[in-house]
Amino acid sequence: NAGVTQTPKFQVLKTGQSMTLQCAQDMNHEYMSWYRQDPGMGLRLIHYSVGAGITDQGEVPNGYNVSRSTTEDFPLRLLSAAPSQTSVYFCASSYRVWDEQFFGPGTRLTVL
Amino acid sequence: GESVGLHLPTLSVQEGDNSIINCAYSNSASDYFIWYKQESGKGPQFIIDIRSNMDKRQGQRVTVLLNKTVKHLSLQIAATQPGDSAVYFCAENKGGSYIPTFGRGTSLIVHP
Repeated sequence: NAGVTQTPKFQVLKTGQSMTLQCAQDMNHEYMSWYRQDPGMGLRLIHYSVGAGITDQGEVPNGYNVSRSTTEDFPLRLLSAAPSQTSVYFCASSYRVWDEQFFGPGTRLTVL
Repeated sequence: GESVGLHLPTLSVQEGDNSIINCAYSNSASDYFIWYKQESGKGPQFIIDIRSNMDKRQGQRVTVLLNKTVKHLSLQIAATQPGDSAVYFCAENKGGSYIPTFGRGTSLIVHP
């Protein structure tokens, strides 16, 4: 099993550009989530999904969109990048939300 | 424990010592708690979890203690090894909520 994979590992954007961060898992997990990690702060939940076709907002959803067309994939879209979105983004999955979460290796995003 | 600012609390120990990392959680209604380990440049990795109907849970070389009276969680690592050097943070979740709360973390440095 590959576990949770994320692409790209690094990305630099200009303000106003859009892009999609990819996340996939091969463990047949129902729950998937996106977090951002900023210096000096704990992980903050952006969006989550409890199954294919079902998504919902987390703690900091503004400026991001998600979709869950399959159990395996959970892409995160930045609509119009802003410097405040400079962060490290982690995707995670688990069988249920209250189970052990498996995290991907992260995407380090810089918005200029 | 936690502190304001960008710099994480740091715990320095000698190889072979026992380490204790503390976490004060925020929500008295939280009923599920997890400890994660995050090595530099990697995603968080599950260590151990505990539910609120327990006070103590043991894993391999790790023990988590939960004190609900003072909303305090601790992670004990026995016979600490250089490979244990990482940032450790706790997470809490309230039953019925899909949004966990993560602490900022403590940096553990193990000297050979």
